[in-house]
Amino acid sequence: KNQVEQSPQSLIILEGKNCTLQCNYTVSPFSNLRWYKQDTGRGPVSLTIMTFSENTKSNGRYTATLDADTKQSSLHITASQLSDSASYICVVSSNDYKLSFGAGTTVTVRA
Amino acid sequence: NAGVTQTPKFQVLKTGQSMTLQCAQDMNHEYMSWYRQDPGMGLRLIHYSVGAGITDQGEVPNGYNVSRSTTEDFPLRLLSAAPSQTSVYFCASSPSGGAFGEQFFGPGTRLTVL
Repeated sequence: KNQVEQSPQSLIILEGKNCTLQCNYTVSPFSNLRWYKQDTGRGPVSLTIMTFSENTKSNGRYTATLDADTKQSSLHITASQLSDSASYICVVSSNDYKLSFGAGTTVTVRA
Repeated sequence: NAGVTQTPKFQVLKTGQSMTLQCAQDMNHEYMSWYRQDPGMGLRLIHYSVGAGITDQGEVPNGYNVSRSTTEDFPLRLLSAAPSQTSVYFCASSPSGGAFGEQFFGPGTRLTVL
């Protein structure tokens, strides 16, 4: 069964600090991996997409990495801001049009 | 563009009642889907549609029906509500199939079944 595991489940960081979220998956055959940001009470919004041949993709202060060999991805948040407080969801697509969702990591940024 | 809209935002039902969650998109996307989100779990696919007149079951379809008479609208019907259907429901659309297209999500409907 295709699975996506995210860690940690939640974390608290001080404003201005960096943090890294992890995503491990067993989805096969792999098509692409997206990171979504979900603010409280709202739907998820796509941050980045990575295909098999991409190692790194940035979107402002968000940088995603992908190691397709070990089936791991990370999302790094640089110089965190209060607006980064949200849940971050890893979504892996397989070539048969199936999406597998992680449970998400809840990030709380404190002033 | 309004994107993906969902109504209502909140709903409380009694066990056995039926209702329809509305979803509409104005982006002319072919692919639409319904998910439920429960604490500690990833989003789970209920039903999806690859175009008007075509629907199919997802991972957790029991107790739900859908129809797709137009490209824009994709309502989700709860036939006889049960407490296990208490959840947050998200509708999403995509310009192409789920494997390759970015999912655009609506704001969600929080449903409580007593």
